[in-house]
Amino acid sequence: GAVVSQHPSRVICKSGTSVKIECRSLDFQATTMFWYRQFPKKSLMLMATSNEGSKATYEQGVEKDKFLINHASLTLSTLTVTSAHPEDSSFYICSARSAQGDYGYTFGSGTRLTVV
Amino acid sequence: AQSVTQLDSQVPVFEEAPVELRCNYSSSVSVYLFWYVQYPNQGLQLLLKYLSGSTLVESINGFEAEFNKSQTSFHLRKPSVHISDTAEYFCAVSQWGAQKLVFGQGTRLTINP
Repeated sequence: GAVVSQHPSRVICKSGTSVKIECRSLDFQATTMFWYRQFPKKSLMLMATSNEGSKATYEQGVEKDKFLINHASLTLSTLTVTSAHPEDSSFYICSARSAQGDYGYTFGSGTRLTVV
Repeated sequence: AQSVTQLDSQVPVFEEAPVELRCNYSSSVSVYLFWYVQYPNQGLQLLLKYLSGSTLVESINGFEAEFNKSQTSFHLRKPSVHISDTAEYFCAVSQWGAQKLVFGQGTRLTINP
């Protein structure tokens, strides 16, 4: 079945630094990838949708200059949290959708970001 | 725009008892419906989905959900739960022709021995 690899699973960084999270589709071409943020004991909040080769579409209230999304190939999307602050600490999850096959979304295993 | 409501934030049940996790949605157009399960500090795993056809869909681990268009519901059921079913369950909806998947608030299922 479809597999999405997300890396790293956990990262601790200092306030003011940037962190990059990778999301790879291992056995299919992901024309569309999604980035979600999940607060403790809360649901998933869609941050942005990215299509390969084009700019990401951000949801209302999400700062595009802070959360940089790149989807340069059909198998890789990255989320970079720039100038991270403690309030950016959260669980980030990516999801990928193939243009073929049944209508499905495959999720990565998530990244726990802690900004100190 | 579509929305999803999971009425119960927590559902505690005893092992081997039946369980129902409720999900209602609202949408002005036809939708696809999904249930996902999340274990601690992990991503989401697809449990089952309704795209079209039979309104009753089943998963390989004994869960089932029924799409009820008139009641705009997609409740998840299992006749006999196990300790290993303890997790967070999310209902999600996507409108036909749209890319976005919108999630409900989640229901924490706790199985007591």
